[in-house]
Amino acid sequence: KQEVTQIPAALSVPEGENLVLNCSFTDSAIYNLQWFRQDPGKGLTSLLLIQSSQREQTSGRLNASLDKSSGRSTLYIAASQPGDSATYLCAVLNAGGTSYGKLTFGQGTILTVHP
Amino acid sequence: GAGVSQTPSNKVTEKGKYVELRCDPISGHTALYWYRQSLGQGPEFLIYFQGTGAADDSGLPNDRFFAVRPEGSVSTLKIQRTERGDSAVYLCASSLAGDSTYEQYFGPGTRLTVT
Repeated sequence: KQEVTQIPAALSVPEGENLVLNCSFTDSAIYNLQWFRQDPGKGLTSLLLIQSSQREQTSGRLNASLDKSSGRSTLYIAASQPGDSATYLCAVLNAGGTSYGKLTFGQGTILTVHP
Repeated sequence: GAGVSQTPSNKVTEKGKYVELRCDPISGHTALYWYRQSLGQGPEFLIYFQGTGAADDSGLPNDRFFAVRPEGSVSTLKIQRTERGDSAVYLCASSLAGDSTYEQYFGPGTRLTVT
């Protein structure tokens, strides 16, 4: 059974800092990994999707890496801003069979960027 | 274009009552997913439809929960004899068949409160 863990559970940083969020998963047979952002009381916004054959994806100030063999992914946020404050969720899609439909999520990292 | 929509946005019901939650996927998306997110947790998979049929319903917690997608578009999640433990945000997502990334696009969710 796939399990996804995110560290830290919460993070508070001053504006302008570069930061790293960590995600680990127990079953390396994944098809892809997605990072999502969730604002309070809102749905999920996809930030980056990394296919299993890829090592990293970049979008603006965000960079996500994937090391499938070790079961790890990191989300790097450069020059953090107060508007980045949200919960960040990591999710993996397992490869094979009916599991293609099932994203397994971590519990999220609550990020607060203070001015 | 329009994203995934869910109605109602909020639903308060009494213990023991029946509720229906609706999801309208992105037009043309053949795959549809339901997840449940309890407070402070990541979303948990409930059920996945490919077209009209449920490809994987392994996440439904018990037989009080049922979902349908009769015409392969709109889906309804039905909960009978609601319990206080059913209180959560119910998220719906859809994805496009033939998209090799299997990226899932999420709606804003329905917040269900059982009193």
